[in-house]
Amino acid sequence: NAGVTQTPKFRILKIGQSMTLQCTQDMNHNYMYWYRQDPGMGLKLIYYSVGAGITDKGEVPNGYNVSRSTTEDFPLRLELAAPSQTSVYFCASSTDINTGELFFGEGSRLTVL
Amino acid sequence: KNQVEQSPQSLIILEGKNCTLQCNYTVSPFSNLRWYKQDTGRGPVSLTIMTFSENTKSNGRYTATLDADTKQSSLHITASQLSDSASYICVVSANYQLIWGAGTKLIIKP
Repeated sequence: NAGVTQTPKFRILKIGQSMTLQCTQDMNHNYMYWYRQDPGMGLKLIYYSVGAGITDKGEVPNGYNVSRSTTEDFPLRLELAAPSQTSVYFCASSTDINTGELFFGEGSRLTVL
Repeated sequence: KNQVEQSPQSLIILEGKNCTLQCNYTVSPFSNLRWYKQDTGRGPVSLTIMTFSENTKSNGRYTATLDADTKQSSLHITASQLSDSASYICVVSANYQLIWGAGTKLIIKP
């Protein structure tokens, strides 16, 4: 019953450092998403993928990169971390981009100092 | 501009009481409306998904309503429990995008 698994749960970065947030799902979902959630705000879509080898930008892609080499994995890379990237990051997956229920991971809390 | 607005921003009620959360949207073209529950420090979990033709949908003590004419939805929680303390997020699907509301933070007091 793993569902969507994200690592790490917490991370503190210094300005200018890089890191990768890992996301894996075991439900064979084609669609995967990365969101960020700032305090008191709605979720904002960073990147999404409709299948292995295919990714596309969401609302707030600047400063991030993704790849989708397998159906299961959808890592999010932060290059040159900035304080504005301090947030909680959620990975999600679904069977369908329009009608399918989204299944979320537990979140990764990132602080950039 | 596609927008989803929720009210109230926060709500405190006593355990056992009922409450209703509101969601107004200006999203086009409409595909479906979802309610999610997000416990503190956890990812959102789906409660209901409603299409244009559905007026009411229940999930246990949670009942969602949809008025597509006025572009309003509500989530009614019956006989609240301490475990209902969470943020409740309204999401509207339109044109292969999901528009997220900021959520209503609900606190249930014993």
